[in-house]
Amino acid sequence: AQSVTQLDSQVPVFEEAPVELRCNYSSSVSVYLFWYVQYPNQGLQLLLKYLSGSTLVKGINGFEAEFNKSQTSFHLRKPSVHISDTAEYFCAVSDLGSGNTGKLIFGQGTTLQVKP
Amino acid sequence: GAVVSQHPSRVICKSGTSVKIECRSLDFQATTMFWYRQFPKQSLMLMATSNEGSKATYEQGVEKDKFLINHASLTLSTLTVTSAHPEDSSFYICSARADRGSYNEQFFGPGTRLTVL
Repeated sequence: AQSVTQLDSQVPVFEEAPVELRCNYSSSVSVYLFWYVQYPNQGLQLLLKYLSGSTLVKGINGFEAEFNKSQTSFHLRKPSVHISDTAEYFCAVSDLGSGNTGKLIFGQGTTLQVKP
Repeated sequence: GAVVSQHPSRVICKSGTSVKIECRSLDFQATTMFWYRQFPKQSLMLMATSNEGSKATYEQGVEKDKFLINHASLTLSTLTVTSAHPEDSSFYICSARADRGSYNEQFFGPGTRLTVL
């Protein structure tokens, strides 16, 4: 079974500052990793995903994440945030094992609050 | 491409009534769709996996007789909350898994806010 832990429930940051949202996962098999963003009363939008290959993944809106297998982490980063980045961010994992259904397991979410 | 719609976006119903929520993949086929539930300020919890032409697979603790799922076509899955109670009030989100390539990405609908009075 897989699990995902987002270490920070809320991250306040000033506009134009860098930010890192932390995500650790647990799995006995190889996984795919994802970061999603959710704006109030909306569904989820995919920011980026790691499937294989380069461990540094670039996504939309200037976000990037690095897959670290030894530390079982997939932290999300942005060098300079905007007010419009204020939202809820979810890390998720999906297993690649036999019988893979593509089921996503989500972390608890991190609220990014960008202050002017 | 890869748009998923949900209808209705909001619904208010009386306790004891049933509510149907539709999830449609507008520009792709999806043999698999997922239904999630999200309480305020919380994460998404997978309720069930909906498979076209077969019975849904429910997660542990989810009552299949209360949350009826039908996936009658490759573009439509429905979730019916039967005999709704105030504790069923929540944000329900569906996703559709695109049947293409080596990795089948999920695309999420905008969600349905259910309020049971």
